[in-house]
Amino acid sequence: DAGVIQSPRHEVTEMGQEVTLRCKPISGHDYLFWYRQTMMRGLELLIYFNNNVPIDDSGMPEDRFSAKMPNASFSTLKIQPSEPRDSAVYFCASSEGLKAKNIQYFGAGTRLSVL
Amino acid sequence: AQSVTQPDIHITVSEGASLELRCNYSYGATPYLFWYVQSPGQGLQLLLKYFSGDTLVQGIKGFEAEFKRSQSSFNLRKPSVHWSDAAEYFCAVGLNTDKLIFGTGTRLQVFP
Repeated sequence: DAGVIQSPRHEVTEMGQEVTLRCKPISGHDYLFWYRQTMMRGLELLIYFNNNVPIDDSGMPEDRFSAKMPNASFSTLKIQPSEPRDSAVYFCASSEGLKAKNIQYFGAGTRLSVL
Repeated sequence: AQSVTQPDIHITVSEGASLELRCNYSYGATPYLFWYVQSPGQGLQLLLKYFSGDTLVQGIKGFEAEFKRSQSSFNLRKPSVHWSDAAEYFCAVGLNTDKLIFGTGTRLQVFP
């Protein structure tokens, strides 16, 4: 398997623009997690899905952030409108959940810069 | 509330020296325990894991970790550090839920 695939790897945008980050989980994994990593706050869980259904979105910082998982092989994280404080590295991870003892596999991340 | 503590934010060692990174957790039962490594510009890679049984577990890249129930600890060790081990290391615990709780990370710097 190719692992968790994220695109783009780097995104530079201007304040106010819409940003969409994409993730393809490992085939057969029924959990998908979105994380944000910054120097100040470390690694934060934003939202996670089980079988394409959002389970916990309590980590989503504001209504400007939204995430979808239309099918088992694709998820998006959207920021609209983007702000400079959204600049961070966003990671996607997938897992088989408790039946695989919660091992998570991470993508390489998307580095977002909002100017 | 459950938590994971990595008390060392930054550690510097010389190449060839031994290494120990500390991790303590707060949880009523024995959780699943993990160490992940993040090289610069990369995602997190699983180094090793503990579920049950032998309390000393071996991982990739020559790392090992020991689970000590009495101390609620899961410290990561390596007998001889290589320059390529410079990275950030995260301890994580898996509870009886679908999520992992990550520590704040320890950044390892290796001097030649």
